[in-house]
Amino acid sequence: AQSVTQPDARVTVSEGASLQLRCKYSYSGTPYLFWYVQYPRQGLQLLLKYYSGDPVVQGVNGFEAEFIKSNSSFHLRKASVHWSDSAVYFCAVSAPGNYKYVFGAGTRLKVIA
Amino acid sequence: GPKVLQIPSHQIIDMGQMVTLNCDPVSNHLYFYWYKQILGQQMEFLVNFYNGKVMEKSKLFKDQFSVERPDGSYFTLKIQPTALEDSAVYFCASSFPGLGYAEQFFGPGTRLTVL
Repeated sequence: AQSVTQPDARVTVSEGASLQLRCKYSYSGTPYLFWYVQYPRQGLQLLLKYYSGDPVVQGVNGFEAEFIKSNSSFHLRKASVHWSDSAVYFCAVSAPGNYKYVFGAGTRLKVIA
Repeated sequence: GPKVLQIPSHQIIDMGQMVTLNCDPVSNHLYFYWYKQILGQQMEFLVNFYNGKVMEKSKLFKDQFSVERPDGSYFTLKIQPTALEDSAVYFCASSFPGLGYAEQFFGPGTRLTVL
């Protein structure tokens, strides 16, 4: 069975600084991987996804993530954060052919001036 | 982009009552899902639904839970009777057939409080 670990419950960064949010998964094969963002009182919005191919995937608003199979990781990165990036970020994994997500616990990002 | 709507946003009911949570999925989507998130905890899969049938359900999907989508209207989650441990935020999601099935679109959630 799949599992996802987001080891950082809360992250605080200064505006303009770089960001990495960590995600590690447990799955025997190559899963489908996702990062979602949740703003207050809104649904989860997809930032980026990985199915196969180039392990570095680009997403919306300057986010990217790198799939490293040897490390079972799919960390989210951004070169320069903006105050509007403050939100909760969820990593999710899905086994190919399976119709459900397994989510991490989420990381609450706070961007300060 | 495509939006999933959920009605109501917040529901407060007494233990033992029935509750129906409504989801209006993206119009051309055919796969539907419910997830449950207890405050401060992980979002967990409850059930998925396709072509009028439950495809998979988790151990959280108790006998008191049921889902349906009559005549292409709302995708609903019914809990009858409710219990205190059903208090949570319930998220609906939908996805499209093909490889795109893997990308789920989520609603904003319904916060259910059982007293």
